[in-house]
Amino acid sequence: EAGVTQSPTHLIKTRGQQVTLRCSPISGHTSVYWYQQALGLGLQFLLWYDEGEERNRGNFPPRFSGRQFPNYSSELNVNALELEDSALYLCASSLGTGGRTDTQYFGPGTRLTVL
Amino acid sequence: QKEVEQDPGPLSVPEGAIVSLNCTYSNSAFQYFMWYRQYSRKGPELLMYTYSSGNKEDGRFTAQVDKSSKYISLFIRDSQPSDSATYLCAMRGLDNYGQNFVFGPGTRLSVLP
Repeated sequence: EAGVTQSPTHLIKTRGQQVTLRCSPISGHTSVYWYQQALGLGLQFLLWYDEGEERNRGNFPPRFSGRQFPNYSSELNVNALELEDSALYLCASSLGTGGRTDTQYFGPGTRLTVL
Repeated sequence: QKEVEQDPGPLSVPEGAIVSLNCTYSNSAFQYFMWYRQYSRKGPELLMYTYSSGNKEDGRFTAQVDKSSKYISLFIRDSQPSDSATYLCAMRGLDNYGQNFVFGPGTRLSVLP
């Protein structure tokens, strides 16, 4: 069974540019989560999508946004990039049922460097 | 008080040692508990998942949950240099809706040959 996939693996942008990151969840998973992990820091929750809707959002400015498509894949968009946006962006998926077997599985991440 | 606190580390142990990694939490609504291992610059990998108090064993790894004390632990027996990574605890409530998964900040472990 294929795991969570993310693209691209690495990205270099300059300040002020815009970036789109992509995530494909495990087959059968309807929930997608996005996290930011700056170097040496913990996971910071960004966004949670389930069944195509945004369910919750972390404490990030509006220039961080995303969406979930009918096939449950997801995009994370970051506008007006700032230097402090440099981080590993992680996507995770889960069944979204809230049941006993529902837990998150992570992708390999996209490393974004903003110069 | 943070919702989930974790031993800050970093932790260095000799190969073959028993390692104990610990998290405490404040929200009694948490019912499901997970441990993830994250190698440098990689995505976290699910190691253990449990939803009841007590112990769960998987090879060299044992997850322990004490809901009455709001305390969870991960034990690694016969630690190996390949166990060197950051370990994250995570937890959630009964119902996924309205309840995010909450992660601890992580403990960095180094197992020295």
